[in-house]
Amino acid sequence: AQSVTQLDSQVPVFEEAPVELRCNYSSSVSVYLFWYVQYPNQGLQLLLKYLSGSTLVKGINGFEAEFNKSQTSFHLRKPSVHISDTAEYFCAVSVRDSNYQLIWGAGTKLIIKP
Amino acid sequence: NAGVTQTPKFRILKIGQSMTLQCTQDMNHNYMYWYRQDPGMGLKLIYYSVGAGITDKGEVPNGYNVSRSTTEDFPLRLELAAPSQTSVYFCASRKTSRPSNTGELFFGEGSRLTVL
Repeated sequence: AQSVTQLDSQVPVFEEAPVELRCNYSSSVSVYLFWYVQYPNQGLQLLLKYLSGSTLVKGINGFEAEFNKSQTSFHLRKPSVHISDTAEYFCAVSVRDSNYQLIWGAGTKLIIKP
Repeated sequence: NAGVTQTPKFRILKIGQSMTLQCTQDMNHNYMYWYRQDPGMGLKLIYYSVGAGITDKGEVPNGYNVSRSTTEDFPLRLELAAPSQTSVYFCASRKTSRPSNTGELFFGEGSRLTVL
């Protein structure tokens, strides 16, 4: 069965510092990868996705992620965070064999320190 | 364009009571989903639907039921509420199942349910 591991449940970082949120997945077949963001008391919204092609994908609000097939990782990065980035971030994987159902990681809370 | 609308936003139930969480989308999406979100557990799929009249179980369906009589509506029914069903519930929809440019999931704002 597919699984997604987000290695950090919380990541505290100072404002304007860089951040990396880690995500590893278990599938050995072709995968589609996503990062969703959940702001406080809201639903989730798509941040970025990898379907094919370039392994570096850019999303909204200055975030980017790199697909690394050999390490089965899809880490999310931002060079300089703002207080408005305070949210929980979810990594998810989708494969054809599971009818493209999304398998979700447990989430990482990004805490911005002023 | 309202997107995905869930009601109610908050509800407290007593053990053994029943209730329905409503979900409506106005994007003409074929696929609709119900998830529950528990702290540190990510999202777990309860039920999903690939179109009007078709529903199927997800990962954690016990204690829940759904129906899909129209494209727009996908209500989730809790029968005989139990404390284990205390959670935040999210309804989501997407145009297609394939993760193409039209395969993005759109979420409602969530329904926080407490069973005491």
